[in-house]
Amino acid sequence: NAGVTQTPKFQVLKTGQSMTLQCAQDMNHEYMSWYRQDPGMGLRLIHYSVGAGITDQGEVPNGYNVSRSTTEDFPLRLLSAAPSQTSVYFCASSRQGFSYEQYFGPGTRLTVT
Amino acid sequence: ILNVEQSPQSLHVQEGDSTNFTCSFPSSNFYALHWYRWETAKSPEALFVMTLNGDEKKKGRISATLNTKEGYSYLYIKGSQPEDSATYLCAFRRFASGTYKYIFGTGTRLKVLA
Repeated sequence: NAGVTQTPKFQVLKTGQSMTLQCAQDMNHEYMSWYRQDPGMGLRLIHYSVGAGITDQGEVPNGYNVSRSTTEDFPLRLLSAAPSQTSVYFCASSRQGFSYEQYFGPGTRLTVT
Repeated sequence: ILNVEQSPQSLHVQEGDSTNFTCSFPSSNFYALHWYRWETAKSPEALFVMTLNGDEKKKGRISATLNTKEGYSYLYIKGSQPEDSATYLCAFRRFASGTYKYIFGTGTRLKVLA
């Protein structure tokens, strides 16, 4: 199993550009989520999904869109990048039940200039 | 806004010392409490998932306890080793309005000195 994969690893964008961060998992997990990690802030939930076709907002959803057309993939779209979106982004997945741990991808470091 | 608080923020201990950290979380709508170990330049890795009041979990020299009624969990490391140096995160998983969400603390950064 590859686990949770994310692409790209690094990205530099100019203000106003859009892009999609890719996330895929091969463990047939129902639950997938996107976090951003900023110094002193811990991991903050952006969006999450409990299954194909079902998504919901997390703590900091503004400026981001998600969709979940398959169980495996959960892309995160930045609509119009802003310097405030400079961060490290982690995708995670888990089974849906209460005792299951989350598995994290390797992260994408995004810089918006 | 629900907060998960971790203390201390950072900690330096000597090799062989035992240490412990605290995670405080809201006691309402509790579903699970997760502990993660996060090494620099890597991704968080799960240590424990705890769901019941009074739960105790152990993995090698690391153990954790859970008190859902008062809203706290302790993580203990016995006989710290340099390879234990990492950030230890806790995450509170709550169930509300038919959905589940994770709320992470900011972590405790542990440095074990050889």
